[in-house]
Amino acid sequence: DQQVKQNSPSLSVQEGRISILNCDYTNSMFDYFLWYKKYPAEGPTFLISISSIKDKNEDGRFTVFLNKSAKHLSLHIVPSQPGDSAVYFCAARSYGGSQGNLIFGKGTKLSVKP
Amino acid sequence: ETGVTQTPRHLVMGMTNKKSLKCEQHLGHNAMYWYKQSAKKPLELMFVYSLEERVENNSVPSRFSPECPNSSHLFLHLHTLQPEDSALYLCASSQDSGHTTDTQYFGPGTRLTVL
Repeated sequence: DQQVKQNSPSLSVQEGRISILNCDYTNSMFDYFLWYKKYPAEGPTFLISISSIKDKNEDGRFTVFLNKSAKHLSLHIVPSQPGDSAVYFCAARSYGGSQGNLIFGKGTKLSVKP
Repeated sequence: ETGVTQTPRHLVMGMTNKKSLKCEQHLGHNAMYWYKQSAKKPLELMFVYSLEERVENNSVPSRFSPECPNSSHLFLHLHTLQPEDSALYLCASSQDSGHTTDTQYFGPGTRLTVL
């Protein structure tokens, strides 16, 4: 049973528009969430994170929103650029959980078209 | 450049072979991890080492044997693998695996094919 779900396997967006990647989770004990980006033939690269005490964290073109009541988080990329085309993974960790135990979603492949 | 390197990048082995995957981190971190990513599945944590001691083993078969000789190096020794073990094996490191906000940084992975 997946605790972190990314229900959209792929997303296509026009350059300059907003990309919104979604992630749902089931474990209410999760209190720290991360987004990773992965290009082909490379390992995942850390992008942005958010603690459960916040509902928004922003870093340049990337913003992560957390809705704890809905157990939902989203990553907004604006404006989207062709170089953003990659697979995006959502991950979560619970306080007091097993050390280092990040739970990952299956990923969403984002394609940004020029 | 993430500061975490893995060798080899690709490996093809038979079921009777013995091989090892190597990971090295240049970030001064204290914790290192092995993950497995199979097709159409999420990344799965296999092993965690903190200050060279194994602190997590997520029910991984004994045909996978990790070794952490120091905080900068991590190995995954492979023997008598099965075709279903074919996957991308990712190494990661972090500053301190005990903190919730600890961020893991990944290497490029080793693409393993078991024939």
